[in-house]
Amino acid sequence: AQSVTQPDIHITVSEGASLELRCNYSYGATPYLFWYVQSPGQGLQLLLKYFSGDTLVQGIKGFEAEFKRSQSSFNLRKPSVHWSEAAEYFCAVGAMDTGRRALTFGSGTRLQVQP
Amino acid sequence: GAVVSQHPSRVICKSGTSVKIECRSLDFQATTMFWYRQFPKQSLMLMATSNEGSKATYEQGVEKDKFLINHASLTLSTLTVTSAHPEDSSFYICSARPRGGANTGELFFGEGSRLTVL
Repeated sequence: AQSVTQPDIHITVSEGASLELRCNYSYGATPYLFWYVQSPGQGLQLLLKYFSGDTLVQGIKGFEAEFKRSQSSFNLRKPSVHWSEAAEYFCAVGAMDTGRRALTFGSGTRLQVQP
Repeated sequence: GAVVSQHPSRVICKSGTSVKIECRSLDFQATTMFWYRQFPKQSLMLMATSNEGSKATYEQGVEKDKFLINHASLTLSTLTVTSAHPEDSSFYICSARPRGGANTGELFFGEGSRLTVL
């Protein structure tokens, strides 16, 4: 079974600073990997996804993530964070062997942005 | 494209009553929909997998008689919380995978439904 670990429960950065959110996954084969963002009381918005090809994935709003198979990681990065991006960020893994399985989510990282 | 809509977004009910939450894929067909539950400041936990035209598959520990799932068409799945109690208060989120096309494993999520049981 697949699993996801987000080691950082809570991160605070200053507006304009760079951001890196960590994600490690466990899965026996090549996984599908996703980053979602959730604002308070809202559903999930997809930031980016990886399922094959280039290991550096570009997403919306200037986010990017790099798939590193050797480290079983898929860290999310952004060069400069805006105050409006304070939210909960979830990394998720899906199984490539069948398209019918649900995604497994990490515990989330809450991002605070200081002015 | 790929919009999933949930209704209602918020519902308050009395203990002992039943509540139905609808999940619709607005611009695509979904043979499989997933229902997640999220407690405050926690992650999403999969409750069940809803397959069009067949019985739902529930995760371990989820009471199938309490959380009734119906997936009557390729665009609609419903979750009914029966005889709701305060401990059922939570944020329920549905997601859907488009039928056909390239299978990237991506799920599209509804806006969520916040249930408060008094």
